[in-house]
Amino acid sequence: DVQLLESGGGLVQPGGSLRLSCAASGFTFSSYAMSWVRQAPGKGLEWISIIIVSGETTYYADSVKGRFTISRDNSKNTLSLEMSGLRDEDTAVYYCAKMKGVGAYVPSDSWGQGTLVTVSS
Amino acid sequence: DIQMTQSPSTLSASVGDRVTITCRASQSVSNRLAWYQQKPGKAPKLLIFRASSLESGVPSRFSGSGSGTDFILTISSLQPDDFATYYCQQYNLYWTFGQGTKVEIK
Repeated sequence: DVQLLESGGGLVQPGGSLRLSCAASGFTFSSYAMSWVRQAPGKGLEWISIIIVSGETTYYADSVKGRFTISRDNSKNTLSLEMSGLRDEDTAVYYCAKMKGVGAYVPSDSWGQGTLVTVSS
Repeated sequence: DIQMTQSPSTLSASVGDRVTITCRASQSVSNRLAWYQQKPGKAPKLLIFRASSLESGVPSRFSGSGSGTDFILTISSLQPDDFATYYCQQYNLYWTFGQGTKVEIK
């Protein structure tokens, strides 16, 4: 079974930084694009970043471009999201999601349980 | 950016009802449209991809239709486990989710 386990969430002050990780198992990690999707409290889903299998191509939502960096380590089956310049509006549950294919223009077919990031002073 | 608009935002229904949720894209997304179900405190679950393809393990009472800009998710006979929030997502030009449709008990 596919398992995705996020970690690294917590409370951070505005302007601060945080690194999220997602440990993947149960599938060939290096064969699938991966993404991060977030959900602010009581709100809908927002995709924020996607990385293709090689890691050479990445995509970012305008809301996080220039502040967040997605990366992957195929040797360790790990997806990461480096977040800096955090704002109040970045407060959300962050989900790691496996894409349904090698490319980016596919849906997400497996999701982690999410990790909560709270940006507050 | 492609905007996705779902209607209604909230839907009250009873067990056994036929339920339809509409999703409209601000420009054509071809058939690159997915539907997800999310329950409170849980991660989303993929139901439908490519507008009408049923994800493995998803009950056949769920179906999707449409192409271009207009899409529909249908639940043929609502079950107690189906009370949840449903999201459409386009993945034709970047990725955009609809705002969600909450299906609640009537």
